[in-house]
Amino acid sequence: EAGVAQSPRYKIIEKRQSVAFWCNPISGHATLYWYQQILGQGPKLLIQFQNNGVVDDSQLPKDRFSAERLKGVDSTLKIQPAKLEDSAVYLCASTVLAGVNEQFFGPGTRLTVL
Amino acid sequence: GENVEQHPSTLSVQEGDSAVIKCTYSDSASNYFPWYKQELGKRPQLIIDIRSNVGEKKDQRIAVTLNKTAKHFSLHITETQPEDSAVYFCAASKNDYKLSFGAGTTVTVRA
Repeated sequence: EAGVAQSPRYKIIEKRQSVAFWCNPISGHATLYWYQQILGQGPKLLIQFQNNGVVDDSQLPKDRFSAERLKGVDSTLKIQPAKLEDSAVYLCASTVLAGVNEQFFGPGTRLTVL
Repeated sequence: GENVEQHPSTLSVQEGDSAVIKCTYSDSASNYFPWYKQELGKRPQLIIDIRSNVGEKKDQRIAVTLNKTAKHFSLHITETQPEDSAVYFCAASKNDYKLSFGAGTTVTVRA
């Protein structure tokens, strides 16, 4: 089966600019996650969707980060405006249903904020 | 929230030797403990997981043990090979919802 797709793979922006990332989960996966992985650290959950509804966004910096999954399939994560500390890899993951085993990760988007 | 600590941060082993990575968690309600392997520049991939109703699980050269009383779990890799070189992350969650990851262990297998 096809894996989780993400784009772009790399992005370099200036601080205070905006950026958006796109994720297409595995077909049929109802649950989608966005993680932030800072260099040398483990992934940190930003937001979890169940279909098109938000389950957990407690660690999403809502003053600058937003995410949506309008049709319950693809998702976008936006940062506006970006800060230097947002430099990280943004990983998208999906699973059939939360509560059911493995989360499958996408290749990630490496963001560099200058 | 859940706090997962992972040790060591780096581990260098001779090919053929064993490698052990240990994690502790803070939330006694956590009941699902996966381990992910992340090769340089690649996505994390699940290599083994264990649930709280099991004390040990093995898959070929990889095994995971869980001590619920002490709130710690460990990954054991036997007969290490160069392709085992990667960053390994432990994680914990309640009912497979939000995964809280450790900081990772960089394993280097010396030929």
